[in-house]
Amino acid sequence: AQSVAQPEDQVNVAEGNPLTVKCTYSVSGNPYLFWYVQYPNRGLQFLLKYITGDNLVKGSYGFEAEFNKSQTSFHLKKPSALVSDSALYFCAVRDRGSSASKIIFGSGTRLSIRP
Amino acid sequence: EPEVTQTPSHQVTQMGQEVILRCVPISNHLYFYWYRQILGQKVEFLVSFYNNEISEKSEIFDDQFSVERPDGSNFTLKIRSTKLEDSAMYFCASSGENRGPVGEQFFGPGTRLTVL
Repeated sequence: AQSVAQPEDQVNVAEGNPLTVKCTYSVSGNPYLFWYVQYPNRGLQFLLKYITGDNLVKGSYGFEAEFNKSQTSFHLKKPSALVSDSALYFCAVRDRGSSASKIIFGSGTRLSIRP
Repeated sequence: EPEVTQTPSHQVTQMGQEVILRCVPISNHLYFYWYRQILGQKVEFLVSFYNNEISEKSEIFDDQFSVERPDGSNFTLKIRSTKLEDSAMYFCASSGENRGPVGEQFFGPGTRLTVL
């Protein structure tokens, strides 16, 4: 069965420090990989995706993610955190096989950036 | 930039009542989805829709749920007889080959459904 694991419920980082939000996945084949962010009382905003090619993917708001096929991981990173980055982050996967395939989300990691 | 819109933003209903949640996907998108997020839990897939029929549905999407694209622009989710456990945030999403690589789904802001 396909699954996405975000092992940390919460990540706390001081402003200006680098941050990492971890994600591992278990799916067959080579899925599309995504990160979405959810701010309080808001919908899901797309951050970045891995389709193919370079393992380091750059996205919105200075975020990037590194795809590691051998470790089946897709960790989200940012070199210097901002207080405004505080939100709920979801890792997600989608099967390449069908254009109508569902997205499977991880349980989410709450990122808290302290001033 | 085009975006997915959803109405209403918040719906309160009594248990057993029917509700219809409305979504306007991005124009020219071909694939449409509903997801839900129970408070404090992860986002779960409900159903996908393509070419005027359901492509895939989850075990959550039972006979109480239905979807429709009545007029070529709206995409609706109907719950026939709501239960307390249907209380959640419902997200609509759409995707299409003619807007970036296939795979990226664009989500609406959600409708918060509260069943009393």
